[in-house]
Amino acid sequence: NAGVTQTPKFRILKIGQSMTLQCTQDMNHNYMYWYRQDPGMGLKLIYYSVGAGITDKGEVPNGYNVSRSTTEDFPLRLELAAPSQTSVYFCASSSRDYLNEQFFGPGTRLTVL
Amino acid sequence: RKEVEQDPGPFNVPEGATVAFNCTYSNSASQSFFWYRQDCRKEPKLLMSVYSSGNEDGRFTAQLNRASQYISLLIRDSKLSDSATYLCVGGSSNTGKLIFGQGTTLQVKP
Repeated sequence: NAGVTQTPKFRILKIGQSMTLQCTQDMNHNYMYWYRQDPGMGLKLIYYSVGAGITDKGEVPNGYNVSRSTTEDFPLRLELAAPSQTSVYFCASSSRDYLNEQFFGPGTRLTVL
Repeated sequence: RKEVEQDPGPFNVPEGATVAFNCTYSNSASQSFFWYRQDCRKEPKLLMSVYSSGNEDGRFTAQLNRASQYISLLIRDSKLSDSATYLCVGGSSNTGKLIFGQGTTLQVKP
């Protein structure tokens, strides 16, 4: 049982490039989330999903897109990367709604230069 | 005002000390509260949920004061391994999401 896995662990992008951050969970959780964490700051919700085929915006969705075609996978797409998107990105999942324990992946450290 | 506010610290304490962190929240409709622990450059992990009646898990005690809108975390007999950042988290159905505080850093010294 691997829990929540994320790839890649690290990535450097040039301004204007695009990439997809991968997230997979093997706990059969319906709820999945993407957060970003800037240095010295709390986590901010980017997008979340309550089940396959359903996604919704969080606090800071601009510049990102998501899809949820299966229960297990919840990829985050960055289009036209900007320096302001330099951050650590965490994917999380929970068995029920957001008010319950969330299990986090190890994170992806992204730098946009 | 931030929805969930914490003193970032750092709190530097000797081994064996008792240390307490407070966290305030601005949304009176917040229903669920948690403390998460985050080690340096790692993902957050749930430390404990916070119940209205207060709850204890070994050396850790969490309390909720709805009238004053704050929650607290008390750590007794601090260990070196308690060194980490502690994230205060609140959530409510009217916002539909969890709000994370910026975290309080604890450094336990030998």
